[in-house]
Amino acid sequence: ETGVTQTPRHLVMGMTNKKSLKCEQHLGHNAMYWYKQSAKKPLELMFVYNFKEQTENNSVPSRFSPECPNSSHLFLHLHTLQPEDSALYLCASGHGGSGLLGETQYFGPGTRLLVL
Amino acid sequence: AQKVTQAQTEISVVEKEDVTLDCVYETRDTTYYLFWYKQPPSGELVFLIRRNSFDEQNEISGRYSWNFQKSTSSFNFTITASQVVDSAVYFCALSEADQGGSEKLVFGKGTKLTVNP
Repeated sequence: ETGVTQTPRHLVMGMTNKKSLKCEQHLGHNAMYWYKQSAKKPLELMFVYNFKEQTENNSVPSRFSPECPNSSHLFLHLHTLQPEDSALYLCASGHGGSGLLGETQYFGPGTRLLVL
Repeated sequence: AQKVTQAQTEISVVEKEDVTLDCVYETRDTTYYLFWYKQPPSGELVFLIRRNSFDEQNEISGRYSWNFQKSTSSFNFTITASQVVDSAVYFCALSEADQGGSEKLVFGKGTKLTVNP
């Protein structure tokens, strides 16, 4: 059983739709992350939140909008996506903010997104 | 810039064979951490091991073992007596700290391991 949950697990949406991905961690961590995993590409870090503050935006298009209301919840709001945005979106959490390098990140099961 | 190379895109073995997954990294940092994750077909990345740059001792955990060699910047992963359940994509990753003090992982492209019965 994972300490990081993601919903929905699968999502199909049209390019004009608005949807949101949800991530919740039950590990008491302070940092949360969104990654994108496309076929044949390495995992790409999208956003980092540390103590609810965004500390990293890895040149992600504005059609992806993250939200972190507290250290346990992370959302990714999706609006007017393109077919090339189809991918597996993974959420992770870690201790973060401690200044200690090497803290392990724990991943959720991902949301498999298909944009038509 | 940090970089992680997993040169083996796909490996196929027969059950009970030993298999080694290669990982070569590049970093200018003197302090860094290396990780291996397993991604089964379900999609979730499962943490396997973390190793810091000051600890070059090899590690064994059941059928899994890791060989860390700073001289060659490699952190290879060996599965002994492979099983069908080991079939997955395996990722090697290198850590760095971002400006906010959070952990950033740089991943390799992964090696897809298929273990055939």
